[in-house]
Amino acid sequence: AQTVTQSQPEMSVQEAETVTLSCTYDTSENNYYLFWYKQPPSRQMILVIRQEAYKQQNATENRFSVNFQKAAKSFSLKISDSQLGDTAMYFCAFMALQGGSEKLVFGKGTKLTVNP
Amino acid sequence: ETGVTQTPRHLVMGMTNKKSLKCEQHLGHNAMYWYKQSAKKPLELMFVYSLEERVENNSVPSRFSPECPNSSHLFLHLHTLQPEDSALYLCASSQDGEGRFYGYTFGSGTRLTVV
Repeated sequence: AQTVTQSQPEMSVQEAETVTLSCTYDTSENNYYLFWYKQPPSRQMILVIRQEAYKQQNATENRFSVNFQKAAKSFSLKISDSQLGDTAMYFCAFMALQGGSEKLVFGKGTKLTVNP
Repeated sequence: ETGVTQTPRHLVMGMTNKKSLKCEQHLGHNAMYWYKQSAKKPLELMFVYSLEERVENNSVPSRFSPECPNSSHLFLHLHTLQPEDSALYLCASSQDGEGRFYGYTFGSGTRLTVV
C-alpha cells in the first residue's frame, strides 16, 4: 500500500519570503503521479501543482515549484514570495494506477501561516 | 466554485437520526469519490464510483451508505452514526483515466457533527 508522510504539522513564514514544505512517500510502483493540494479556510481543495514520476524535470507553476527526488521518494513544495493568501493547509498526494483505476492517497497535511 | 457542489455545508445530527449528504458535479466527469477528513489524519478514501458503479469500498461501516443515481450526483446516506464519525466529508470528481493529468476536483465539504 502506498503511504504519504508530511512531517511538518505546522509552519509559518513571513510575507515575501520563501518556504519549503516536505513530503515523502512509499511505493513499489515505478509509474505514478504526485500532487500538492491547498485547502484554505473555505475548505475547497485546490490543485497547486503536479509531477509525473517519469519526468526528471521539476514542475513549476508561477511561485510554486517542487523538488522531486525519485530515488529518495521525496516531493517537497517550495513557495516563493509568500503571500497572505497562501495561508492554508497543504496536502501532498500520490496516485498510482491500481487494477486500471486511479486512486489518490493523501498525507496528513501541513498548516502554513503567512505572517504580515 | 470548482464545479462540484456539496450540500449541506454544515450538519448536526443525533446518533439515532438519518440524514443524507449530497454532491453534484457540473464538469461532465464520470467518476466520483467520497473522502473523510478528520483532524491530524490523512484524508480517508471511503467510496469510489466509476460510470455509476461502485468500484471501491474501503471497509467503511455499513452506517454509511453511498448512492450514485447518475454520473452527476452522489449521495452519502447516514444512519445511527457515532460521535467519532464527526468530520469533514469531501466529495470529488474526475474523468476516469484522466485523474493522473488533472487530479480530482473537490467540493467544499460538509462539516458533520454527531451529538
